[in-house]
Amino acid sequence: KAGVTQTPRYLIKTRGQQVTLSCSPISGHRSVSWYQQTPGQGLQFLFEYFSETQRNKGNFPGRFSGRQFSNSRSEMNVSTLELGDSALYLCASSYGQSGDTQYFGPGTRLTVL
Amino acid sequence: DQQVKQNSPSLSVQEGRISILNCDYTNSMFDYFLWYKKYPAEGPTFLISISSIKDKNEDGRFTVFLNKSAKHLSLHIVPSQPGDSAVYFCAANVRGGADGLTFGKGTHLIIQP
Repeated sequence: KAGVTQTPRYLIKTRGQQVTLSCSPISGHRSVSWYQQTPGQGLQFLFEYFSETQRNKGNFPGRFSGRQFSNSRSEMNVSTLELGDSALYLCASSYGQSGDTQYFGPGTRLTVL
Repeated sequence: DQQVKQNSPSLSVQEGRISILNCDYTNSMFDYFLWYKKYPAEGPTFLISISSIKDKNEDGRFTVFLNKSAKHLSLHIVPSQPGDSAVYFCAANVRGGADGLTFGKGTHLIIQP
C-alpha cells in the first residue's frame, strides 16, 4: 500500500504571499491531520479532518486553514505568510479518527523569505 | 505548558547494548501513547504504541512500558543497531478525541559502533 504523500516537498515564498499544500492519505484512511514542526516549538497539531469536516484546530491563527475532499485528500492553506511560518509541515493519516495510529508523510519544507 | 516531556535531548549508546528512551506526561486524560522515529528531512515513522489498559507492549526489538501512576513511559530497544540512530518522539492522545497527537520535543539517539 502506498504511504502518505505530500506535495510539494519544498517551497520558497516571500512574506505576504499565500501557499497551498497538498496531502494524499493512505488508501482507505479517512482522517487527515496536519502538524507544524519548528526547531523551537517542536511538532504542533494544526487541525484534523474526518469525512470532510474539520474536527478540531490547534492554537494557530486564522491564516491557517484547510479542507478535505470526498476522496479524503486534504489541502492546507496559509495566507499572508510571515517569516515565522517557515517550518516543516507534516500530514498524517489514520483509518478512523485521531485516536487511531497516525502515519506521516515526508512533509513539505516551507521557507518564507 | 508541555503535556508530554522528553527530558533527555540526546542519548548515546553502544551498538549491541540496550537503549532506553524516557517520556513523562501530565495530562491524565491521555489513554493512547505512541513512539515515532524520525530522520532529518523525513516524516516521523510509527514504531510502536500502547493503550492505557496495558503496561507493556512488545514488537521485535522494541518494547514500550507504561507506568500510569507515575505518568511515565519508556521505549527499550534491544539490541541497539546503527540504523537506530535518529530522533525519537513520544506522543500521546485521547482516543476518540479531536486534539491530535501531543508530542514531546524528541530525544536524539546516537548508536556508537
